[in-house]
Amino acid sequence: DTGVSQDPRHKITKRGQNVTFRCDPISEHNRLYWYRQTLGQGPEFLTYFQNEAQLEKSRLLSDRFSAERPKGSFSTLEIQRTEQGDSAMYLCASSRSTSGIGETQYFGPGTRLLVL
Amino acid sequence: AQSVTQPDIHITVSEGASLELRCNYSYGATPYLFWYVQSPGQGLQLLLKYFSGDTLVQGIKGFEAEFKRSQSSFNLRKPSVHWSDAAEYFCAVAAPGFQKLVFGTGTRLLVSP
Repeated sequence: DTGVSQDPRHKITKRGQNVTFRCDPISEHNRLYWYRQTLGQGPEFLTYFQNEAQLEKSRLLSDRFSAERPKGSFSTLEIQRTEQGDSAMYLCASSRSTSGIGETQYFGPGTRLLVL
Repeated sequence: AQSVTQPDIHITVSEGASLELRCNYSYGATPYLFWYVQSPGQGLQLLLKYFSGDTLVQGIKGFEAEFKRSQSSFNLRKPSVHWSDAAEYFCAVAAPGFQKLVFGTGTRLLVSP
């Protein structure tokens, strides 16, 4: 069990550029989540996948954001035309779905984005 | 919709003293409850969780938490704090059957010598 990994760990970009982040979940975890955390706040849910299907998206996920999990393993989160308000820590988590029992989400180290 | 309140933004505790971090939730039934810890610049590490059953749950690093339905609370405790416990602590809830976690705004713990 190598844990959830995220790449890159840090990203600095200029306003208007596109950025893409990658998340590799714990193997055999079929659910994958993206959260965003701004300074002084707790993480906020963005979206989640079960296998390759994107099952829920937050209203925080504007049309500039897109997430994919094409083969049900790793996931990518792309932000197009970045804005300064997109500066945040982007956290990925994974879990294994259970029936009738609560799940535990395990988090990666995050990708810190700074938009200049 | 569920929500979480962590009323203390900062707490300072002397090393070796006891600790209690408060968490109150709003939800119509019994939610799933979690405490996570985040060190500077790092992701979240799960300390403990409550799904059902015994209302006193034990976690890693000597932490425990007690679910009190009547008070809608899930406070985190540790009998003796170590300097390495200095971090930010987040309480989170999830509605049974729904996957997303809803987090509080966190409590930053400072440990004084």
